[in-house]
Amino acid sequence: GEDVEQSLFLSVREGDSSVINCTYTDSSSTYLYWYKQEPGAGLQLLTYIFSNMDMKQDQRLTVLLNKKDKHLSLRIADTQTGDSAIYFCAESTRSARQLTFGSGTQLTVLP
Amino acid sequence: EAGVAQSPRYKIIEKRQSVAFWCNPISGHATLYWYQQILGQGPKLLIQFQNNGVVDDSQLPKDRFSAERLKGVDSTLKIQPAKLEDSAVYLCASSPTGTDTQYFGPGTRLTVL
Repeated sequence: GEDVEQSLFLSVREGDSSVINCTYTDSSSTYLYWYKQEPGAGLQLLTYIFSNMDMKQDQRLTVLLNKKDKHLSLRIADTQTGDSAIYFCAESTRSARQLTFGSGTQLTVLP
Repeated sequence: EAGVAQSPRYKIIEKRQSVAFWCNPISGHATLYWYQQILGQGPKLLIQFQNNGVVDDSQLPKDRFSAERLKGVDSTLKIQPAKLEDSAVYLCASSPTGTDTQYFGPGTRLTVL
């Protein structure tokens, strides 16, 4: 079955790095995604990684994928107060083109 | 490029009433999804369309929920009659043909009293 798990809360100081972790169970996942949700808003696509990659960097965002352990992480460098939001990890299934989401990690950036 | 549009943004109804939500996907996107997001949880897929056909509605409570995508563009999701546990944000997403990447609208927040 498919299951995506994330820790619920993360708190960091402004300027520090944030690392949000995610584990998934479907070994046939093709892409893994990170979405950001601010209060009262929809989900904003941040970045994604193909399952045959280990790492992807996009400006302040670094995604690491350990396929053996089915572990995905999102590192945000120089975290700012505007990064405070809920971050969702999601995996896609090869055949169905559907996403399975985790419950989200609430990131709080303290001044 | 315009994003996914949804309306209304907020809706408050009493239980047993009916409600409808509208979604206009990104132009040219063949696949359209409706999700339910209960407070504190990730989005859960309700129904997936490919053009105007249903690909997957296995998670849609068909005794009270219905959805359509006439002409393969806009879509409506209806709840009739609503229950208290239907209080949630209803998100619409679309994706281009041949990709898994989904783009989300702002959602409709439904409160059932």
